[in-house]
Amino acid sequence: GENVEQHPSTLSVQEGDSAVIKCTYSDSASNYFPWYKQELGKRPQLIIDIRSNVGEKKDQRIAVTLNKTAKHFSLHITETQPEDSAVYFCAAINTGKLIFGQGTTLQVKP
Amino acid sequence: NAGVTQTPKFQVLKTGQSMTLQCAQDMNHNSMYWYRQDPGMGLRLIYYSASEGTTDKGEVPNGYNVSRLNKREFSLRLESAAPSQTSVYFCASERGPRSGANVLTFGAGSRLTVL
Repeated sequence: GENVEQHPSTLSVQEGDSAVIKCTYSDSASNYFPWYKQELGKRPQLIIDIRSNVGEKKDQRIAVTLNKTAKHFSLHITETQPEDSAVYFCAAINTGKLIFGQGTTLQVKP
Repeated sequence: NAGVTQTPKFQVLKTGQSMTLQCAQDMNHNSMYWYRQDPGMGLRLIYYSASEGTTDKGEVPNGYNVSRLNKREFSLRLESAAPSQTSVYFCASERGPRSGANVLTFGAGSRLTVL
């Protein structure tokens, strides 16, 4: 089955700096890679996703890159703001099951 | 349009007691999931249902059973609760594996404590 590893587990940046979170997956057949954001006490919500036929996708200050050969994908947040503080989860899907990484707690200091 | 509704929101059990977490979605989604969330462990898949009448084990199915009662409802049962099952449980749904959408809609979560 699929296994997703996420690093780092915690990340602290100054407001305005960039943040990068990295994930690796094990199943080369996985074809869909979403990122979810979970604010404190709330449910996870999708912020961006990428499919295996695309190498990069951007949406305003966030971007995701995918390296299929190396089986890793990354989330990039530029010009971080205090409201970006949350737990971020990467995930990979194979045969219908969405498997999540362990999560990264991002703290953006004003 | 309520989305995904989970009950109860909070529950305290004693070791050995049983209980069922209920989940219902009103978005006509085919696939439904149960995850548990523990600090440092992320969201771990317990069981998955691709469509009405089908269920499949996830990463951590031991100690749990599920029922896909109909297209709307997917329940999670703990037959004999253990302290290791203390967690926050999330139900989620999506249109389905062949829909091309794959976006999960989560419920608000159920916090379970087993003493």
